[in-house]
Amino acid sequence: AQSVTQLGSHVSVSEGALVLLRCNYSSSVPPYLFWYVQYPNQGLQLLLKYTTGATLVKGINGFEAEFKKSETSFHLTKPSAHMSDAAEYFCAVSDNIIGNEKLTFGTGTRLTIIP
Amino acid sequence: DAGVIQSPRHEVTEMGQEVTLRCKPISGHNSLFWYRQTMMRGLELLIYFNNNVPIDDSGMPEDRFSAKMPNASFSTLKIQPSEPRDSAVYFCASSLGRGVNQPQHFGDGTRLSIL
Repeated sequence: AQSVTQLGSHVSVSEGALVLLRCNYSSSVPPYLFWYVQYPNQGLQLLLKYTTGATLVKGINGFEAEFKKSETSFHLTKPSAHMSDAAEYFCAVSDNIIGNEKLTFGTGTRLTIIP
Repeated sequence: DAGVIQSPRHEVTEMGQEVTLRCKPISGHNSLFWYRQTMMRGLELLIYFNNNVPIDDSGMPEDRFSAKMPNASFSTLKIQPSEPRDSAVYFCASSLGRGVNQPQHFGDGTRLSIL
């Protein structure tokens, strides 16, 4: 069964600083990997996804993530944090199996931006 | 275009009462998911449907929980009888179809409090 581990339940960065949110996965088959963002009192919104092909994936709002098979990682980065980035971020994994739509989510990382 | 619509947004009820949560997926989406989010357990998949048929209900906690999808535009999640430990935010999500390559679109959730 697949799983994800998000290191750090809370991360604080200064406005304009680099954002790095960590995600490691475990999967018995080549995984599909996702990052979702959740703003207060809202549902989750897809930031980006990796399925196949290029290992550096760009998403919305200036975020990107790199799939590193050797490290079983899919860390999320943004070069310069903005106040509007404050939210909770979830990494998710799915088996690359036809017909399987289940996502397994990590426990989330709450990102705080310091003015 | 309208996203996933959930109702009610908030529900407060007493232990033992029946609770019904409702979801209208995005028009044209073939898959529908029910999730529960709590501080202790994070985001858990309860059940998902494809073309109105339940595909995986292994996440449904117990017999008190039931979900139906009578047509492509409506689904319900019912808890009977409700217990305080059922208090959580319940999310509905929908996607275009089979295969996790399709992103899931989340509603804003129903915040359920069982007294």
